[in-house]
Amino acid sequence: DTGVSQNPRHKITKRGQNVTFRCDPISEHNRLYWYRQTLGQGPEFLTYFQNEAQLEKSRLLSDRFSAERPKGSFSTLEIQRTEQGDSAMYLCASSLGVDEQYFGPGTRLTVT
Amino acid sequence: DQQVKQNSPSLSVQEGRISILNCDYTNSMFDYFLWYKKYPAEGPTFLISISSIKDKNEDGRFTVFLNKSAKHLSLHIVPSQPGDSAVYFCAAKTSNFGNEKLTFGTGTRLTIIP
Repeated sequence: DTGVSQNPRHKITKRGQNVTFRCDPISEHNRLYWYRQTLGQGPEFLTYFQNEAQLEKSRLLSDRFSAERPKGSFSTLEIQRTEQGDSAMYLCASSLGVDEQYFGPGTRLTVT
Repeated sequence: DQQVKQNSPSLSVQEGRISILNCDYTNSMFDYFLWYKKYPAEGPTFLISISSIKDKNEDGRFTVFLNKSAKHLSLHIVPSQPGDSAVYFCAAKTSNFGNEKLTFGTGTRLTIIP
């Protein structure tokens, strides 16, 4: 299967710890997006990359959050000093140019 | 500020009948609209889209209608099948280069009754 993959699928961490998630997009897609979804809400945009360049960041992305896409392929999203409010599903999507975005299965983060 | 609204959290439809899911938006800069379907424990799956230069787009059992003056779009599924039971999200974006983020509604849970 050559869809978008995300690892890990689930992460439980204690408040104050750092966590890192990985996203592998569809291989020929040059754009990669991160979204966050909380219960009862739709996905909310966090940031996106075109190749290795980070082109837009939401104000939801506090200074505790950092995302990278070092070689224009996979991406990582790191959350430092996690808080209980960070508990959510973190979704990655990719697209070829301005075409439709294809989503991965998500990483569910629980901060205790 | 919810720029994309799905006012019906849930909808139940008999198998074989038409399902109609509604979505309203407030941002007049949106010019491209998409519907995604989501099963539990999976990411959203792209279903169908429509550009603001059109008022209808059809793909098999799925048709999306856009009424720009009312800032309203709807997704019609006919005939509805049990496998259509899922949460449906409406999303919108502007097509300006460099601004590709999707703004989603809160979703409508569709249940198809056999």
